[in-house]
Amino acid sequence: QVQLQQSGPGLVKPSQTLSLTCAISGDSVSSDTATWNWIRQSPSRGLEWLGRTYYRSKWYNDYAVSVKSRISINPDTSRNQVSLQLNSVTPEDTAVYYCARRDISGCFDYWGQGTLVTVSS
Amino acid sequence: EIVLTQSPGTLSLSPGERATLSCRASQSVTNNYLAWYQQKSGQAPRLLIYDASSRATGIPDRFSGSGSGTDFTLTITRLEPEDFTVYYCQQYSTIPRTFGQGTKVEVK
Repeated sequence: QVQLQQSGPGLVKPSQTLSLTCAISGDSVSSDTATWNWIRQSPSRGLEWLGRTYYRSKWYNDYAVSVKSRISINPDTSRNQVSLQLNSVTPEDTAVYYCARRDISGCFDYWGQGTLVTVSS
Repeated sequence: EIVLTQSPGTLSLSPGERATLSCRASQSVTNNYLAWYQQKSGQAPRLLIYDASSRATGIPDRFSGSGSGTDFTLTITRLEPEDFTVYYCQQYSTIPRTFGQGTKVEVK
């Protein structure tokens, strides 16, 4: 059974960096069939895919255009986890952030519990 | 990017009734790579349907998906009390992955 456990601060000041971690159990971040994604949800933007990392003989990343200049998603193979960093945040980045596994079927079959991140001074 | 438009925004029905939810794509979804999720308040979305019509593991057979190209449908044949919540469609044929804005199924 795959489980994704998120951790990280719930409050970030404007212009600072949002950092979240997703610890994976029941699968490997280096899986050659899965991808590891970050998705956020807010009333104004709905569900928004932010990006992914995955391993296919080497590491790859894809990011949404809306955050591409500010985002970094990185695997940590020693801890079997994936991290999200979003720089220069504004109140518009306030949302519930989820990590999610995309499996071989192509969909997001396992999700973290979600982390509400509020950007406020 | 592929824009997904769900309709209606809210569906008011009674337990035992049939629910029909629509998802329309701004361009054809290759290989019918479309999924449906259910989301209850305070929880992460839960995968119901993938590849437009395949039920995910453990999903009751009252949930079914259909459609192809740009028009897709989620049908719930007989609404149970736990089915009154929000449903999203999502495409995975192109990057970026995109979601519809959701349909809320509420008790009439």
